[in-house]
Amino acid sequence: GAVVSQHPSRVICKSGTSVKIECRSLDFQATTMFWYRQFPKQSLMLMATSNEGSKATYEQGVEKDKFLINHASLTLSTLTVTSAHPEDSSFYICSARHPGRKETQYFGPGTRLLVL
Amino acid sequence: GNSVTQMEGPVTLSEEAFLTINCTYTATGYPSLFWYVQYPGEGLQLLLKATKADDKGSNKGFEATYRKETTSFHLEKGSVQVSDSAVYFCALSEGGNNRLAFGKGNQVVVIP
Repeated sequence: GAVVSQHPSRVICKSGTSVKIECRSLDFQATTMFWYRQFPKQSLMLMATSNEGSKATYEQGVEKDKFLINHASLTLSTLTVTSAHPEDSSFYICSARHPGRKETQYFGPGTRLLVL
Repeated sequence: GNSVTQMEGPVTLSEEAFLTINCTYTATGYPSLFWYVQYPGEGLQLLLKATKADDKGSNKGFEATYRKETTSFHLEKGSVQVSDSAVYFCALSEGGNNRLAFGKGNQVVVIP
């Protein structure tokens, strides 16, 4: 099967610091990855679409300078939450689109971020 | 814009009971519809999908039929097992970039 990993699975940081979350496709190359945010008892909200070798496409209302996305290789996308604040505490989930399986996204297990 | 609505609240039922989770959608065009499942401690996994009206997606005993007239994609299983305990998300995608819009998800708990 197609496996997507995320690291770290859980992170606690102080307000004002930056946190980087990694998303890797382990056994396939993904030209497109997606970043989602999930609040408790809420649906997944798409934050941005990450395209290898080009700038990410952000959804309306998502701050580009706050959530930096880098997709430097076909197997790795990173999300950096800059100058994190308590309201950024959430569950962040990535997914990767498999090139050979139309419309199928494979999801990582998520990263729980807590900003104190 | 596109949106997905799932029935409110967790679902608790006994083993071998019939499961239905309602899902309705709003879309401007002709979306593809999905059910994803998230088992405890794991990432979302595609359970089944349907890409056009009247298509039926099925997997692991679960079924859902794409109903354009009622804009629905309800998930059903005739006899659930304890191992089916998970969170189930209904989703749609429209357009070539496959951006997904999710419902809120339903926690399903199956009691032995």
